[in-house]
Amino acid sequence: AQSVTQLGSHVSVSEGALVLLRCNYSSSVPPYLFWYVQYPNQGLQLLLKYTTGATLVKGINGFEAEFKKSETSFHLTKPSAHMSDAAEYFCAVTLWEGGKLIFGQGTELSVKP
Amino acid sequence: SQTIHQWPATLVQPVGSPLSLECTVEGTSNPNLYWYRQAAGRGLQLLFYSVGIGQISSEVPQNLSASRPQDRQFILSSKKLLLSDSSFYLCACTDPGKDEQFFGPGTRLTVL
Repeated sequence: AQSVTQLGSHVSVSEGALVLLRCNYSSSVPPYLFWYVQYPNQGLQLLLKYTTGATLVKGINGFEAEFKKSETSFHLTKPSAHMSDAAEYFCAVTLWEGGKLIFGQGTELSVKP
Repeated sequence: SQTIHQWPATLVQPVGSPLSLECTVEGTSNPNLYWYRQAAGRGLQLLFYSVGIGQISSEVPQNLSASRPQDRQFILSSKKLLLSDSSFYLCACTDPGKDEQFFGPGTRLTVL
């Protein structure tokens, strides 16, 4: 069965610093991978996804993630953090299109001025 | 693109009372529909999913139930709420054969 592990439930960075949120997955077959962002008391919004093709995927708000099969990782990065990036971020995996998503526990990102 | 409506946005209910949360979807047909629960400081737990009218799959045993009376309507219910049912409930949908899951704005339920 597939699973997702997000390392670090809380990450704090300074404004302008690099953002790195870690996600490792476990899957018996090539997975579909997603990053979602959630602002307080709101639903989830898709940041980016990897299905097939290029392993470096770019998403909204300047975020990107790289699928590394050898490391079973899909870490989320952003070169320069903004205050508006403060939110909770979820990594998710599914094995097929339209399949059930398995979510990680989430990482809360704080951005200090 | 899809739009998901959830109501109410917030709800405070006494222990032992019934529950009905509604989710409706616009802009798509025959979607896969999902109910998630998100407790404070925790990830999302899939409760139910549906691939069609009247077709409900339950992921975890609990005192909640789900129904899909129409193609784009998904209802989460309980006959008697427990304190542990306090949570943030999210509805989501996916177009058949597509990989992106869209989420509604959520319902904050507090059971006192």
